[in-house]
Amino acid sequence: RKEVEQDPGPFNVPEGATVAFNCTYSNSASQSFFWYRQDCRKEPKLLMSVYSSGNEDGRFTAQLNRASQYISLLIRDSKLSDSATYLCVVNGIDYKLSFGAGTTVTVRA
Amino acid sequence: SAVISQKPSRDICQRGTSLTIQCQVDSQVTMMFWYRQQPGQSLTLIATANQGSEATYESGFVIDKFPISRPNLTFSTLTVSNMSPEDSSIYLCSAFSGGSQAFFGQGTRLTVV
Repeated sequence: RKEVEQDPGPFNVPEGATVAFNCTYSNSASQSFFWYRQDCRKEPKLLMSVYSSGNEDGRFTAQLNRASQYISLLIRDSKLSDSATYLCVVNGIDYKLSFGAGTTVTVRA
Repeated sequence: SAVISQKPSRDICQRGTSLTIQCQVDSQVTMMFWYRQQPGQSLTLIATANQGSEATYESGFVIDKFPISRPNLTFSTLTVSNMSPEDSSIYLCSAFSGGSQAFFGQGTRLTVV
């Protein structure tokens, strides 16, 4: 079983739509959680950390459910520039990151 | 935050040769890592680059194939040795600069022919 599993998508949505997707993680001892964004042929970049109480950053809302071991990301009012692959990332011990395979989002005009 | 410069950004290499990838961080960092991202897949951790000592390799990766150096807190190299087409991938270095946020180099896109 993979440590981090994500719905690969792709999610094709029109501009202005809301899109949401989840990931699950297997290690209950995982300590911190992130969503990274990766554009085509580029390195991953941090989108946002995910906190137990849930957190929002502009149009992006992240939720963490430790009991069920899943993390979600919701994007409101999608923009063309939101088109990317979103990586669910879990930090275990020793700062080692486990990456999901990514969820591809395409926002169309 | 940390800025990581990684080079080369891409290379095409003959099978059987070796390529060394360099990663320079603009500040001292506690942890540095090397990842591989094969086409269409996510990142897989190769090893933790330990300053002044041998790297710690993940299952499936060995020092003879992927020797790593980290002579100080701001610099590391990864060598892909005796390359085969299966080594064609993107290689990324990563660093933690305090806190829990990881920063990444721009990646090295390697093609082995």
